[in-house]
Amino acid sequence: LAKTTQPISMDSYEGQEVNITCSHNNIATNDYITWYQQFPSQGPRFIIQGYKTKVTNEVASLFIPADRKSSTLSLPRVSLSDTAVYYCLAPERGSISGGYNKLIFGAGTRLAVHP
Amino acid sequence: DGGITQSPKYLFRKEGQNVTLSCEQNLNHDAMYWYRQDPGQGLRLIYYSQIVNDFQKGDIAEGYSVSREKKESFPLTVTSAQKNPTAFYLCASSIEAGLAGVSINEQFFGPGTRLTVL
Repeated sequence: LAKTTQPISMDSYEGQEVNITCSHNNIATNDYITWYQQFPSQGPRFIIQGYKTKVTNEVASLFIPADRKSSTLSLPRVSLSDTAVYYCLAPERGSISGGYNKLIFGAGTRLAVHP
Repeated sequence: DGGITQSPKYLFRKEGQNVTLSCEQNLNHDAMYWYRQDPGQGLRLIYYSQIVNDFQKGDIAEGYSVSREKKESFPLTVTSAQKNPTAFYLCASSIEAGLAGVSINEQFFGPGTRLTVL
């Protein structure tokens, strides 16, 4: 079971870069790391997914070092609208019939962006 | 507009009553999921369905029931046996459950239903 650990909360200011680090010591060889974002009273939405090195999209970058025991979500120049909970996810594999690989949502990191 | 919808947004129920939460998707996804979220907590899996007419229990299925008679629909019934039903309920769907290659298929979430038991 790949358990992830991330800070409970973070604070930042508009225009700053925010880096949220997640540790996943027991990640399986072939597992990807996925990040979701959730605003209050809404469903989570997918941000980014990666396996190793660096992945970048229009929203964020994801850095995964060679040992893959951690990953860092980077949000460039945050704004007030980036205030949300960010979840770092690794799959739980194959223990349920049919080989379904489910996502495990921990408590996430609450990011508060201040003016 | 493709998406996943849930209704109602807010639901109030008296103790001892069953209540059904609706979830519909027009994304042509095979897999659908129900999660429960309590304040300040992450999401916990209640039930999931990989295909029509099939569903499996998640981590906290007791007191809940589901059906999957149509690909587009995956209603959740919160029964009177659920001891603490007040929560935020989220429905999601994905192209299929499990892996696409070695990555997890992205789950698309609905807006949620907030259930309060009075």
